[in-house]
Amino acid sequence: DADVTQTPRNRITKTGKRIMLECSQTKGHDRMYWYRQDPGLGLRLIYYSFDVKDINKGEISDGYSVSRQAQAKFSLSLESAIPNQTALYFCATSAVSGSSDTQYFGPGTRLTVL
Amino acid sequence: GEDVEQSLFLSVREGDSSVINCTYTDSSSTYLYWYKQEPGAGLQLLTYIFSNMDMKQDQRLTVLLNKKDKHLSLRIADTQTGDSAIYFCAEIIRFQKLVFGTGTRLLVSP
Repeated sequence: DADVTQTPRNRITKTGKRIMLECSQTKGHDRMYWYRQDPGLGLRLIYYSFDVKDINKGEISDGYSVSRQAQAKFSLSLESAIPNQTALYFCATSAVSGSSDTQYFGPGTRLTVL
Repeated sequence: GEDVEQSLFLSVREGDSSVINCTYTDSSSTYLYWYKQEPGAGLQLLTYIFSNMDMKQDQRLTVLLNKKDKHLSLRIADTQTGDSAIYFCAEIIRFQKLVFGTGTRLLVSP
């Protein structure tokens, strides 16, 4: 079984709809992250959470919100989706600093906003 | 500032060595990483190097780090068609913020 899972894997929606992307992990990591990937731009950080009570904005948080329901679950919401939010979204996890700080990624969710 | 740059495309023949280059700007980086993304898949960690090291070798992969020039490279020996993918370098800076390059698309032809 994958250590980091994301649901759904693909989603097509319409402008103005509310969308939730979910991420679960079995690695026991405290830290979780949401990124979006756009062609030619690499990955950009949307939000990150260092533990259940800690939520922080990344570089492109406008238009997004998150919820850390448990250590193993971190969801990303688009309150009112718009076409320029069409992208590939990745969730990642990492252990507490001191262990190479490596982030492990889920398989991604491809979101299309029409 | 935080900026990681990579060339966008590299084409090699099967059996040759591939060298993917990356430059970064933040001298406070503690670790630098190479990730591989195959079509339709997520990012797979290939290797990483601690900032106080110059070189790390792992089977066909060799990572070279020049801290003075803020230059990181990934050499893949005996490149195979299965190595065709997008390769991202990334640096981790304060508070574990991971900054990615734009990715280099490696195409390996038979």
